[in-house]
Amino acid sequence: AQSVTQPDIHITVSEGASLELRCNYSYGATPYLFWYVQSPGQGLQLLLKYFSGDTLVQGIKGFEAEFKRSQSSFNLRKPSVHWSDAAEYFCAVTINTGTASKLTFGTGTRLQVTL
Amino acid sequence: GAVVSQHPSRVICKSGTSVKIECRSLDFQATTMFWYRQFPKQSLMLMATSNEGSKATYEQGVEKDKFLINHASLTLSTLTVTSAHPEDSSFYICSAPGENTQYFGPGTRLTVL
Repeated sequence: AQSVTQPDIHITVSEGASLELRCNYSYGATPYLFWYVQSPGQGLQLLLKYFSGDTLVQGIKGFEAEFKRSQSSFNLRKPSVHWSDAAEYFCAVTINTGTASKLTFGTGTRLQVTL
Repeated sequence: GAVVSQHPSRVICKSGTSVKIECRSLDFQATTMFWYRQFPKQSLMLMATSNEGSKATYEQGVEKDKFLINHASLTLSTLTVTSAHPEDSSFYICSAPGENTQYFGPGTRLTVL
């Protein structure tokens, strides 16, 4: 069965500092990969996704992620964090992109931003 | 982008009562919707797949008689937690698939006393 691991439960960074959130997946083939952000009281918002092609994908809000097949990783990065980035971040995978595709989520990483 | 709403956003009920949660796709049609449960400080766990016009598909370990799902139209799916108990207290989130992604509702916080 496919699985997603986010090793960091909680990360604190200073505003303006760079950020990297880790995500590792376990699956026999290359899954389709997503990063979502969840702010308190709000639904999950898609930051970016990887299906194929260029392994460095750009997302919204200045986020990017790099797919590394050899490491089974899809880490999320941002060069300069803003206080409004404080939220819960989830990495997710699916084995297909059909309308009935099921997402498997990691346990999430809570980001705290200090001023 | 596409919008998915949930109602209510928060509900408190007594043990033994039933609670209905609605999930609506506001500007698009969804023949399929997903229901997730999220316990505090944990990830989202898929509970079931709601199918318009047919029975829902439940994930292993989810009691279909306890979590009743009805997909009455192309824009509405409901989840009814029957005979709720304190251990059912959780954050319930629905989603509807879009183009190569899923659109998530804001979630419903259920507290069973």
